[in-house]
Amino acid sequence: DTEVTQTPKHLVMGMTNKKSLKCEQHMGHRAMYWYKQKAKKPPELMFVYSYEKLSINESVPSRFSPECPNSSLLNLHLHALQPEDSALYLCASSPDRQALNTEAFFGQGTRLTVV
Amino acid sequence: GENVEQHPSTLSVQEGDSAVIKCTYSDSASNYFPWYKQELGKRPQLIIDIRSNVGEKKDQRIAVTLNKTAKHFSLHITETQPEDSAVYFCAASIRAGANNLFFGTGTRLTVIP
Repeated sequence: DTEVTQTPKHLVMGMTNKKSLKCEQHMGHRAMYWYKQKAKKPPELMFVYSYEKLSINESVPSRFSPECPNSSLLNLHLHALQPEDSALYLCASSPDRQALNTEAFFGQGTRLTVV
Repeated sequence: GENVEQHPSTLSVQEGDSAVIKCTYSDSASNYFPWYKQELGKRPQLIIDIRSNVGEKKDQRIAVTLNKTAKHFSLHITETQPEDSAVYFCAASIRAGANNLFFGTGTRLTVIP
């Protein structure tokens, strides 16, 4: 299994809603990431988890709350979002071998629309 | 933090011609440079990568070159085909272990049949 699976594929939510994005991988990767990608722009890093611990938070607003319940799962909890948060949210994973950078595998993304 | 610049933003070539995309990076500590292809509505997929201890790497029609002194790296696609049409992103990473990838702004490549 060489896939990163994200659910849901599409999500429309109101500004007062609470929703969660889910990401799953079974490749034994110990690093997992959330990226945000706006139309015609590159992916922007939001969070990095290494061995289930948050290692990087790229100054993301608190209305985005990540969670890593175990080494295979990564969630992104959403609350009180703004319309400008509408974007493609990509999850990725990589082996996280020390002293060696390795390929990051991306999921297909969740296309989020905030209304 | 790292700053990655990518040129050109759009590129059109005739089928069978070569395409070259160039990137520069700012942090000399960067040591891993992947290239991703993203088709419309799909996930970014790695097509080739290079580490800082190597100057060139080739995989069939795709090659990447790295000049650490000048801090730039390039993607070369030969014998282009219509299915090569996509957006290509370069990236740089300054950490070992968990990749903190900094992406370039992307190049939209169109291969004209």
